[in-house]
Amino acid sequence: DSGVTQTPKHLITATGQRVTLRCSPRSGDLSVYWYQQSLDQGLQFLIHYYNGEERAKGNILERFSAQQFPDLHSELNLSSLELGDSALYFCASSTRGGEEGEKLFFGSGTQLSVL
Amino acid sequence: AQKITQTQPGMFVQEKEAVTLDCTYDTSDQSYGLFWYKQPSSGEMIFLIYQGSYDEQNATEGRYSLNFQKARKSANLVISASQLGDSAMYFCAMRESFSSARQLTFGSGTQLTVLP
Repeated sequence: DSGVTQTPKHLITATGQRVTLRCSPRSGDLSVYWYQQSLDQGLQFLIHYYNGEERAKGNILERFSAQQFPDLHSELNLSSLELGDSALYFCASSTRGGEEGEKLFFGSGTQLSVL
Repeated sequence: AQKITQTQPGMFVQEKEAVTLDCTYDTSDQSYGLFWYKQPSSGEMIFLIYQGSYDEQNATEGRYSLNFQKARKSANLVISASQLGDSAMYFCAMRESFSSARQLTFGSGTQLTVLP
């Protein structure tokens, strides 16, 4: 158990809908990262938050947004969902802001299926 | 250009034998870190081993070792005495220290199957 909690584990929804994925980092970790894993794109970095502030954006669509709250949990909001958004969404946390050698601890992921 | 390249989509190894999973990387940074993660069929990502660019010795963690060849920009994972439970997808990843982005960039992965 990595200590990172993601809910829900599975999500089935329809095109055009909006969903929210939730992540609780390991106790004491200040950074939260979101990744999308799909068969064709592999593991793609979406966004990084450090202590409540956005640090870096990757290949995140404009239909997607995220935030990190004062208690350090994070939410990833996906809207106007398309079939191609079906993927496994991972949250990962780390102790600080991504220092050299700082490893990421991954949650078990949320499997999103858009029908 | 791909930052992390894993050229072996799939590998097979006999139980109890050693196997090497290849990883090459591309960076102009002098300071960077290399990581290997394991993803079993259950889906979770498990950290295996880390190598810093300034580390002079190859990293080892139990049955895992990292064959780091800086000049060739390669960071191959060696698994000794393979076990059936080692069957999984393995990902190589890199963090570049002077980049403003602090995330790990992952390769496409290698699916390892351990045969009894």
